[in-house]
Formats: sequence, structure tokens, C-alpha cells
Amino acid sequence: GEDVEQSLFLSVREGDSSVINCTYTDSSSTYLYWYKQEPGAGLQLLTYIFSNMDMKQDQRLTVLLNKKDKHLSLRIADTQTGDSAIYFCAEVAGGYNKLIFGAGTRLAVHP
Amino acid sequence: GAVVSQHPSWVICKSGTSVKIECRSLDFQATTMFWYRQFPKQSLMLMATSNEGSKATYEQGVEKDKFLINHASLTLSTLTVTSAHPEDSSFYICSAGSSGPQYFGPGTRLLVL
Repeated sequence: GEDVEQSLFLSVREGDSSVINCTYTDSSSTYLYWYKQEPGAGLQLLTYIFSNMDMKQDQRLTVLLNKKDKHLSLRIADTQTGDSAIYFCAEVAGGYNKLIFGAGTRLAVHP
Repeated sequence: GAVVSQHPSWVICKSGTSVKIECRSLDFQATTMFWYRQFPKQSLMLMATSNEGSKATYEQGVEKDKFLINHASLTLSTLTVTSAHPEDSSFYICSAGSSGPQYFGPGTRLLVL
């Protein structure tokens, strides 16, 4: 069945780059997403990538997709304290645009 | 654009009562909305897929008589937790999006005493 896996925790120094990794199983996923969740809040769509793309860049965010290995990564350049949050990777599964989420990676940014 | 709201953001109720949570897409029409549940420090668990004008599709293990979903218009879906019990206390989040990205509401925290 569908499954999405992420590392659970990442700690970086302010100003460094953060790289959050994700693996997925459904090779037919048309979209792959990154969402951000701050404490007590809903999910904020950060970025997404079509399955026919290898890379997408959006300001400080870079998404890399390796379809062969079913590996997705999110790079945040110049990480700031405001980037501290939980980041969820998600793939689309099923005909109704159903999302399968990873467990979430908690990013902690320290001075 | 692509704003989804939820109401209420917080609700505390007594055991045995029913609670209704609304999910609205404010600036777009959504033929499909989704309801998730999130326990502390855990990921989102999809409860059901709500389709405008038809019955919701529930995930395995989710009681459809316990969690009533109505999607009466292209901008509104409601989740009613019937006869709520303390184990129903959780963070409920909706999302909307028929194709392409899903946009999430801010969530509703339910506490059943």
C-alpha cells in the first residue's frame, strides 16, 4: 500500500541550509507536496512538484525529486527561527486526490 | 487565494453531546473536501472524503454514524461528532481541493469532558 516516510527531527543553526528528506511508495503519484505546520495551527502549503519534474525552486525553497528512488527532498536556504515547525511530505493516492502524509519532520532552528 | 476556514477553532463539550464543525472554502469552489484527525505529536489521519451532493467516503475504521459528514454546497462541508466521548478529543482539520494542491483549514480543537 501507499506509505510515506520521513526522518522525525532535524536541528540546524540559524543561517544554515536545512534539508528534509522523504521517501514514498506510490510511483503513480501525480503531485508530491510539502506542508508546514506551526504549533496549534493547520497545515500551510509550502510547495509542490509535479511528478514529471526533477526540481522546483521557489525563493528559499528547493524541491528535488528522484523518481527512480522515490525520494523527495526540501531544502530551505538561510534557515530562520521562523522556519521552526513540523514539515510534512505528502503524496497523492487514489482517484479523489487523497493525500498520504509522512509522520512529519520537526525542524528546530537554533542561534 | 485558496483560503479555507474552520469554525469553531476551539470547542469544549460535555460527554454525550454532539458537536458540529464547519469547513468553508472562502475564495474557490471545492467539489471535494477532506476531514482529518490529528493526535498530539502525530501525523494527520484521513477520516473521510466529502463529495458535494453525495455521500462521504469513510476510511477504514472510521464510524460513519459517529462522524456525520455533510457537503451541501461547493463551499461548505460539516463534520458532526455525535455523542462525543473523551476519546474523541482531538484536533480536526479539513482541506479542500478537487484536483491539484489541497488547502487546509486552521483546525478545530475539540475537548470532550
